Amino acid sequence: DGGITQSPKYLFRKEGQNVTLSCEQNLNHDAMYWYRQDPGQGLRLIYYSQIVNDFQKGDIAEGYSVSREKKESFPLTVTSAQKNPTAFYLCASSPQKTGNQPQHFGDGTRLSIL
Amino acid sequence: QKEVEQDPGPLSVPEGAIVSLNCTYSNSAFQYFMWYRQYSRKGPELLMYTYSSGNKEDGRFTAQVDKSSKYISLFIRDSQPSDSATYLCAMRDTGGFKTIFGAGTRLFVKA
Repeated sequence: DGGITQSPKYLFRKEGQNVTLSCEQNLNHDAMYWYRQDPGQGLRLIYYSQIVNDFQKGDIAEGYSVSREKKESFPLTVTSAQKNPTAFYLCASSPQKTGNQPQHFGDGTRLSIL
Repeated sequence: QKEVEQDPGPLSVPEGAIVSLNCTYSNSAFQYFMWYRQYSRKGPELLMYTYSSGNKEDGRFTAQVDKSSKYISLFIRDSQPSDSATYLCAMRDTGGFKTIFGAGTRLFVKA
């Protein structure tokens, strides 16, 4: 079955530590996205990528970094510069570069501070 | 003012009731409208996707868009306990790449 796989489901970060969240899709979608979800707030866009080797900052990119070396993979690194990383992180993809198709989501990674 | 406003609820209804979920928005350029269902500790699942104004029906779900009022609705008929989830509205303009999400309405359907 095609879909978006995020791993791990739960992740704990120590002070000063960088952590990387994995996102893999086998839908052959061009565009991929990372969102952060906090209680009572809508999804906030961190980064997005329309094609391989290209990505753009979203609304809350500070303290995060991404790479897009392969079409199917879009890992997100939460750096030590992100002072409030505790949240539910969602990866999404969509089939067209122009974004006229809706996004489909993975099942998320919950990140907490140790 | 947020671009998309959605009442967080919670909304509690008895099984079999008709549920109405709503969002208002401020950007008249929005043309694509979506409803997602999100169960606890899961990612959002696309329920309905509509373009411009009008109604769209899929089984027990009906999505309605009123662009003149900048108001969208999702109706759930014959609600079931399995419909208990958070419902997110989302929207985007034609040329843009960014989707704007509402904060979600939490729905409980009691057996």
